[in-house]
Amino acid sequence: QKEVEQNSGPLSVPEGAIASLNCTYSDRGSQSFFWYRQYSGKSPELIMFIYSNGDKEDGRFTAQLNKASQYVSLLIRDSQPSDSATYLCAVRDKAAGNKLTFGGGTRVLVKP
Amino acid sequence: GAVVSQHPSWVICKSGTSVKIECRSLDFQATTMFWYRQFPKQSLMLMATSNEGSKATYEQGVEKDKFLINHASLTLSTLTVTSAHPEDSSFYICSARASGGNSPLHFGNGTRLTVT
Repeated sequence: QKEVEQNSGPLSVPEGAIASLNCTYSDRGSQSFFWYRQYSGKSPELIMFIYSNGDKEDGRFTAQLNKASQYVSLLIRDSQPSDSATYLCAVRDKAAGNKLTFGGGTRVLVKP
Repeated sequence: GAVVSQHPSWVICKSGTSVKIECRSLDFQATTMFWYRQFPKQSLMLMATSNEGSKATYEQGVEKDKFLINHASLTLSTLTVTSAHPEDSSFYICSARASGGNSPLHFGNGTRLTVT
């Protein structure tokens, strides 16, 4: 059973601070890693994806991947109230037909 | 780019009836689309993989005769919930990936199904 684990939260962050979200996965064959943001009642929207070990930055978001330790993280800098949402980590295994396996999501609350 | 359109956005139906949900890729061709279901406060669960021109691949525990999937073209997949029951009430979301390498999945806006 391939698993993707996230702390459900809520992660409470003051406005302007850094939110740090973590995700671990069980399948070493996983090749692609994605972070999605989901507002309540809405479908997920892609924030970032990362394939290689190390950091990838896009605006206020930084994804970090460590395949040896099987974790991927997401940093949100200068957190805004509009960042309050559930963040889903997803992992894709090409050998499994490119299906995405989602974590349970981390709820983030940014307080003004 | 990579826009996925899903229709309807919400539907209410009576027990025993069938409901069809459409998923379209608007600006790219998708040989594969994925159907997810999400219950309140839970994560997305993959129901099935829809393959253009061939039968869908269902995840374990998902009844293929209850959730009919048709992927008749490279831009359209449909999910029909047959003989719906209240426990089928959920948020159904389709997704598609533009072809090539590690392209990410893009999601439709989802369909909120309520079975009374």
